Amino acid sequence: EAQVTQNPRYLITVTGKKLTVTCSQNMNHEYMSWYRQDPGLGLRQIYYSMNVEVTDKGDVPEGYKVSRKEKRNFPLILESPSPNQTSLYFCASSLSAGQVLPEQYFGPGTRLTVT
Amino acid sequence: AQKITQTQPGMFVQEKEAVTLDCTYDTSDQSYGLFWYKQPSSGEMIFLIYQGSYDEQNATEGRYSLNFQKARKSANLVISASQLGDSAMYFCAMITGGYQKVTFGIGTKLQVIP
Repeated sequence: EAQVTQNPRYLITVTGKKLTVTCSQNMNHEYMSWYRQDPGLGLRQIYYSMNVEVTDKGDVPEGYKVSRKEKRNFPLILESPSPNQTSLYFCASSLSAGQVLPEQYFGPGTRLTVT
Repeated sequence: AQKITQTQPGMFVQEKEAVTLDCTYDTSDQSYGLFWYKQPSSGEMIFLIYQGSYDEQNATEGRYSLNFQKARKSANLVISASQLGDSAMYFCAMITGGYQKVTFGIGTKLQVIP
């Protein structure tokens, strides 16, 4: 089954404790992206990747890191989480980058709480 | 900077009626794409419809159509024959920057009344 998976689905952590949210897709998609969703703000793009070893900042990259060492994986790293990073995080992928891409496939979301 | 504006925080529609959800956008890019996504209360993001900036015909997908007015920079979603299962948050989004950067609106919560 074609899908984007995220782990963990739920996470409660404390300020300053490094964490990684994994994202994996099995569709051989080139483009992957991370978003955060906050009430009243919609979804905001954190980072995106056009292909392996190619990443770039979205609108809200501060406090986050990403890597794209393999085509299928695009982990989101919070080196020193803070309470303002409490949010619902979505990973998404689509077939090709730099071209018209009608559809992004979204993962199920990761609800992160930082206390 | 790219911007998506959705001015209707909440909408009600009677079952079987049509409803229009508004979306306006701002970009200086000539090439861009516009999307609508549905997010039910279960939280997943469901792709509904896409319109490219060069597409001359309005996009349609089943009961969904996108009313694209390029000069007005609007991309309204029309849902025909509303169903109870259409109750959800609806997000308008735009992809720009060589089809790389994605900007979402803040969403419209649609409630379908029996």
